[in-house]
Amino acid sequence: GAGVSQSPSNKVTEKGKDVELRCDPISGHTALYWYRQSLGQGLEFLIYFQGNSAPDKSGLPSDRFSAERTGGSVSTLTIQRTQQEDSAVYLCASSFFGGAGSSDTQYFGPGTRLTVL
Amino acid sequence: GNSVTQMEGPVTLSEEAFLTINCTYTATGYPSLFWYVQYPGEGLQLLLKATKADDKGSNKGFEATYRKETTSFHLEKGSVQVSDSAVYFCALIDRGSTLGRLYFGRGTQLTVWP
Repeated sequence: GAGVSQSPSNKVTEKGKDVELRCDPISGHTALYWYRQSLGQGLEFLIYFQGNSAPDKSGLPSDRFSAERTGGSVSTLTIQRTQQEDSAVYLCASSFFGGAGSSDTQYFGPGTRLTVL
Repeated sequence: GNSVTQMEGPVTLSEEAFLTINCTYTATGYPSLFWYVQYPGEGLQLLLKATKADDKGSNKGFEATYRKETTSFHLEKGSVQVSDSAVYFCALIDRGSTLGRLYFGRGTQLTVWP
């Protein structure tokens, strides 16, 4: 597609439920990133996928958070047993990084606003 | 380590005023530097970037120069408009690392009054 897309745009859930957030990167982009934006913490890095390499999970705040990227394209961020402090906007970005003609510019999707009641 | 520090907001200006938002960085390698903008209710958009010392990034009347000697990347605009009201984020990528994540500043809220 023309840009990074994310779904759903808004998600309201109850504490303790699991949620899945989806990201469709720009076609052909090799790298995919998840960030979280909250009032108190600003923009936090969560996880990074680059090609077929093992993802960098160093930003995931707890083992309730996981992510996968299928076929080198679409990614799903899963939060298990959601807590109120998980409420935030979850941003996905992609870039063509690490090969000939690569650029380190990341292009962001519109985000998913997660509210945990 | 890698980090970005930008001036605290909010910044409130009248239309046609001069804007400066300060940004300084710490990097273990040789970073690329970025300014992203977030308009109300929208996602992050790349405003401008610079990849090496003394490079000037520019877009929509905004400019920032990569100053290695002062580790700075201050954002400037000569005459702001109401439509520039947004949150501005300074960020870096450490190109010396295989990890391409962005390190962001805390963001500066800009409000421009007519």
